[in-house]
Amino acid sequence: NAGVTQTPKFQVLKTGQSMTLQCAQDMNHNSMYWYRQDPGMGLRLIYYSASEGTTDKGEVPNGYNVSRLNKREFSLRLESAAPSQTSVYFCASRDPPYQPQHFGDGTRLSIL
Amino acid sequence: DQQVKQNSPSLSVQEGRISILNCDYTNSMFDYFLWYKKYPAEGPTFLISISSIKDKNEDGRFTVFLNKSAKHLSLHIVPSQPGDSAVYFCAAISQGNKLVFGAGTILRVKS
Repeated sequence: NAGVTQTPKFQVLKTGQSMTLQCAQDMNHNSMYWYRQDPGMGLRLIYYSASEGTTDKGEVPNGYNVSRLNKREFSLRLESAAPSQTSVYFCASRDPPYQPQHFGDGTRLSIL
Repeated sequence: DQQVKQNSPSLSVQEGRISILNCDYTNSMFDYFLWYKKYPAEGPTFLISISSIKDKNEDGRFTVFLNKSAKHLSLHIVPSQPGDSAVYFCAAISQGNKLVFGAGTILRVKS
């Protein structure tokens, strides 16, 4: 039972490069989320998808785009990476309204 | 504007003693609260939750208390074990929508 799988686990980019972070869940959850974690700031929501075919902005969406490819997969794209996007990115899924989120193990992204 | 605040960045406790992690919130529309635990290089994992209609929920060594009038919740771990050393995040939900996380508290349990 894999749960939420994120790829890659680590990535180093140069400023201006583009990158897509992949996320897949096998729990048949309707909702999926992308967060970034920065020191002293907890987890901040970038984008979420309440159900297949829908996406919405979270707290910090600037510089990112998302695609809900199907019920299982939710990708996060950086079109032109900036050093301020250096962070650890977590994908999560759940079935609302009050079920807990299940998280992947994260992608550690460094932008030089 | 942080709606969920964990004012203690870190906490150090002796093995066998009680660990108390605190969390304050500002949004009175929050109606469900959760605690997550995170080890290095892993994603957060769900620990325990509480609905706003309750003031206490217990699961083994973990108990969460909610004081709605003070907009405060706490997580008690008794007895604390070295394996409990991790980052603990408090989170809140309003009307079944998105989770809002606190900044986290690093717990170190010394043996």
